[in-house]
Amino acid sequence: AQSVTQLGSHVSVSEGALVLLRCNYSSSVPPYLFWYVQYPNQGLQLLLKYTTGATLVKGINGFEAEFKKSETSFHLTKPSAHMSDAAEYFCAVSEGDSNYQLIWGAGTKLIIKP
Amino acid sequence: DAGITQSPRHKVTETGTPVTLRCHQTENHRYMYWYRQDPGHGLRLIHYSYGVKDTDKGEVSDGYSVSRSKTEDFLLTLESATSSQTSVYFCAISESPDANTGELFFGEGSRLTVL
Repeated sequence: AQSVTQLGSHVSVSEGALVLLRCNYSSSVPPYLFWYVQYPNQGLQLLLKYTTGATLVKGINGFEAEFKKSETSFHLTKPSAHMSDAAEYFCAVSEGDSNYQLIWGAGTKLIIKP
Repeated sequence: DAGITQSPRHKVTETGTPVTLRCHQTENHRYMYWYRQDPGHGLRLIHYSYGVKDTDKGEVSDGYSVSRSKTEDFLLTLESATSSQTSVYFCAISESPDANTGELFFGEGSRLTVL
């Protein structure tokens, strides 16, 4: 079965510094890949996704992620962290074509230091 | 923001009591989902619905039942709550079941504590 690993349950960066949140998956077949963000006391919202085509995907709020098939990774980056980026970030991978088959990572809480 | 309302938002109950969580949407989306979120596990799918009276089990359905009598409402019931069901429960909706095109929209969650 598919698995999704997010390295680090908590990541702390200074405001203005690079944000790097790591996601690795286990499938040998190129899946659909997603990053969702959960702000405090809110539901999750889609940040970006990779389905087909360009492997560098841009999302909302200046985030982007690159699908690297050889490394089975889909790491999330942002060049310069802002205080408003403090949230929990979830990577998800589809085992198949449907939303019923999404496998979620355990989440990484991003902490922004002033 | 997608119109998804979960109720109650917080509930404390005792072991063995029945609990029903409600998800109400105003988007007229056909597909609805119930997830639970636990530390270290991310989200896990409990049940989903692909139309009125059409539901199916997800990854962690034991101890849960669902009903969907109207497009806008999806109910999650714990017939006899156990401490292992202490969790945050999220409802989600989508227009399409396709992971490619059917973006999930989430409610704000319902925090359930079973003592």
